[in-house]
Amino acid sequence: GIQVEQSPPDLILQEGANSTLRCNFSDSVNNLQWFHQNPWGQLINLFYIPSGTKQNGRLSATTVATERYSLLYISSSQTTDSGVYFCAGHNSGSARQLTFGSGTQLTVLP
Amino acid sequence: SAVISQKPSRDICQRGTSLTIQCQVDSQVTMMFWYRQQPGQSLTLIATANQGSEATYESGFVIDKFPISRPNLTFSTLTVSNMSPEDSSIYLCSARGGSNQPQHFGDGTRLSIL
Repeated sequence: GIQVEQSPPDLILQEGANSTLRCNFSDSVNNLQWFHQNPWGQLINLFYIPSGTKQNGRLSATTVATERYSLLYISSSQTTDSGVYFCAGHNSGSARQLTFGSGTQLTVLP
Repeated sequence: SAVISQKPSRDICQRGTSLTIQCQVDSQVTMMFWYRQQPGQSLTLIATANQGSEATYESGFVIDKFPISRPNLTFSTLTVSNMSPEDSSIYLCSARGGSNQPQHFGDGTRLSIL
């Protein structure tokens, strides 16, 4: 399977600030997803984005498949954005399950 | 998108006992998976639940400890056997409709072993 690296591991922001989270993967991917795990432990699907750019409200994501990375942008952050952000991917090989990165712990201060 | 229901949502168990976690998907799916998330860690795949056959386990996980069933395309169970405090984790069920489709997760089962 692929290896997934996320950066930064921790991020503290003031409410209203913007941020960019990065995900690098070791091989080409058929599937790349971003998740938000809220403080109650629920894993929320943010984006399914094996390539290209998508936007959903204050969040957007871009995957550059040829360069093996994906970015998650959070604009005008709110305290409810706090939690852990994971990216996960799989390729077309025999290991088709999602492999997760280690996550970015985001804390948004009021 | 698939809606995945897991139960129980949490449990506190005694050392040496076993617990079975149920996972129900609201539509037929090709793939179902079980993940473990230890405190403060990322998600690690335990196994792929195969419909009508034995599950495929990842390195470090064995069938005797984590037996899995998947009798049809919408339901699976994971049993955590002979539990010890090291098994205290969140266990998550996951499903995907096809290889090039997004993967969805249940809300997890928070397991504490005393």
